[in-house]
Amino acid sequence: GIQVEQSPPDLILQEGANSTLRCNFSDSVNNLQWFHQNPWGQLINLFYIPSGTKQNGRLSATTVATERYSLLYISSSQTTDSGVYFCAVDPNTGGFKTIFGAGTRLFVKA
Amino acid sequence: DSGVTQTPKHLITATGQRVTLRCSPRSGDLSVYWYQQSLDQGLQFLIQYYNGEERAKGNILERFSAQQFPDLHSELNLSSLELGDSALYFCASSEHTDTQYFGPGTRLTVL
Repeated sequence: GIQVEQSPPDLILQEGANSTLRCNFSDSVNNLQWFHQNPWGQLINLFYIPSGTKQNGRLSATTVATERYSLLYISSSQTTDSGVYFCAVDPNTGGFKTIFGAGTRLFVKA
Repeated sequence: DSGVTQTPKHLITATGQRVTLRCSPRSGDLSVYWYQQSLDQGLQFLIQYYNGEERAKGNILERFSAQQFPDLHSELNLSSLELGDSALYFCASSEHTDTQYFGPGTRLTVL
């Protein structure tokens, strides 16, 4: 089945710093989503981005489907950005099954 | 608030028992997804329903079953519970097969 790899696995930032999170996937996908799981466990959808670039405030994401990767950019990080960021894909084959990566755990220091 | 509700928030039960988790999707959403999140296996897709019909099945054990009712709410039934079934169970919904909105989860503890 499809493999979804996220990097880095862990990231510590000083408040105000910028960062880039990466998601690589091993096969073609129908769609790709980025989620943030906050320290209280809530999963929040950030982007639905099967291809192209989207921006929402300090966050933006780019997916290059032909090269099988997606990037999530966080600018001017805040302590509330802490948590785990997941990439999730629906592969083209194997039915409508959403596969999650292992996540990037981000801690933003004040 | 995503608009997806799950009950109960917490559930503590014993091995061998059966429990039912309930999910109400966002208004207008036809798809419901169930996921299990555990420390050792991460977020695992269990099953998806679309407008009452099963659409996709993932790593769902035979002891687990689900259904989506005509009012589009869904229930996940877990039976013959084992210690390893302790996890956070999430429900998500989407209009079709696009952006998924997650509920707050049900934390299941099997003692």
